Amino acid sequence: GQSLEQPSEVTAVEGAIVQINCTYQTSGFYGLSWYQQHDGGAPTFLSYNALDGLEETGRFSSFLSRSDSYGYLLLQELQMKDSASYFCAVSPHQAGTALIFGKGTTLSVSS
Amino acid sequence: EAQVTQNPRYLITVTGKKLTVTCSQNMNHEYMSWYRQDPGLGLRQIYYSMNVEVTDKGDVPEGYKVSRKEKRNFPLILESPSPNQTSLYFCASSSGGGAGYEQYFGPGTRLTVT
Repeated sequence: GQSLEQPSEVTAVEGAIVQINCTYQTSGFYGLSWYQQHDGGAPTFLSYNALDGLEETGRFSSFLSRSDSYGYLLLQELQMKDSASYFCAVSPHQAGTALIFGKGTTLSVSS
Repeated sequence: EAQVTQNPRYLITVTGKKLTVTCSQNMNHEYMSWYRQDPGLGLRQIYYSMNVEVTDKGDVPEGYKVSRKEKRNFPLILESPSPNQTSLYFCASSSGGGAGYEQYFGPGTRLTVT
């Protein structure tokens, strides 16, 4: 079957750096993306990696290693508003088909 | 304003009573999909559609039907709802399928089946 593994919870303090890992076991791989979801809200897109390496978008970065079937989301200069759930998602087939999500990581940022 | 709308936002119904949750997008997106979200299970894809009249099963299609007669609309139909379909449902659209295309999610529909 297809599976994506993420830690269920992560805690950190304001100003810190946190890394949320995602390992995947899928029949194929056509990219890894990350979504943020605040409590009671809809998921919103954060980033996408198709190739190995680091993609940076402001305070958030995402990394991919296809040989290790592994990626992570790096959040820097944490703020209280970053408290949310974060999901990784993989396309197991060629673009245009299903999208598999991980179970999500709840990030709690304290002051 | 670019958006995905879902109706109703909240619904309480009884076992076996057919219901439809509507989803509409105004971004001319080709790809639309439905997800359910349950505590500890993340988002699971129910059905997706690549374009008008083209639909396919996701991970958890049992008990659900969809149709895509128009590009903008993608209703989710529960012909005979059961309590295990109590969940938070999200519709999403994007300009293409796959992880590389930003999925725009609707606000969600919280369904309770008693």
